[in-house]
Amino acid sequence: GAGVSQSPSNKVTEKGKDVELRCDPISGHTALYWYRQSLGQGLEFLIYFQGNSAPDKSGLPSDRFSAERTGGSVSTLTIQRTQQEDSAVYLCASSAQGARETQYFGPGTRLLVL
Amino acid sequence: SQQGEEDPQALSIQEGENATMNCSYKTSINNLQWYRQNSGRGLVHLILIRSNEREKHSGRLRVTLDTSKKSSSLLITASRAADTASYFCAPQGSQGGKLIFGQGTELSVKP
Repeated sequence: GAGVSQSPSNKVTEKGKDVELRCDPISGHTALYWYRQSLGQGLEFLIYFQGNSAPDKSGLPSDRFSAERTGGSVSTLTIQRTQQEDSAVYLCASSAQGARETQYFGPGTRLLVL
Repeated sequence: SQQGEEDPQALSIQEGENATMNCSYKTSINNLQWYRQNSGRGLVHLILIRSNEREKHSGRLRVTLDTSKKSSSLLITASRAADTASYFCAPQGSQGGKLIFGQGTELSVKP
């Protein structure tokens, strides 16, 4: 079956603009995660959705970052007033059944803020 | 935090040799997951080992877990050039949810 998909695959934007990144999880997966990876760094957790529970937003670096998950499926990560330090690969993952299962990652969106 | 810390940071071997990567973490876990990443893009899941398991195999991969030492190892046998990638361990706490990744081990397999 289809894996996790993300769009766009690449995004170049100017400092100060808003961007929206999309994630389509594996069908039926109840948990969805966003991570980011800056150049040469490990992955940094951003936010986690589990079913209808309140999301775990503990990894969001500032209030310019927000995410929503509509209908328990597709998720959008929004970065407002982008800064150069937001440049990174943004990775989405989903897992079945809940919080203690394998997380399957999408190919990522490479964001470059000029 | 349950962040995984991989060791060594970089490893270079010849094709056909075995590669061993180690992971240490600090708190109690529900499971520990190993991932491979090529060219700085998407991560490929390799193995999930649960806290009540000691060893797990998948093809040429062997993962061990020692919860008393809070450590895990990934062994790749008979390595191939295609195994060249960064390898990450990601412990997951008892509450589940987010994975906390370390910096990874960069493996280079020379033909």
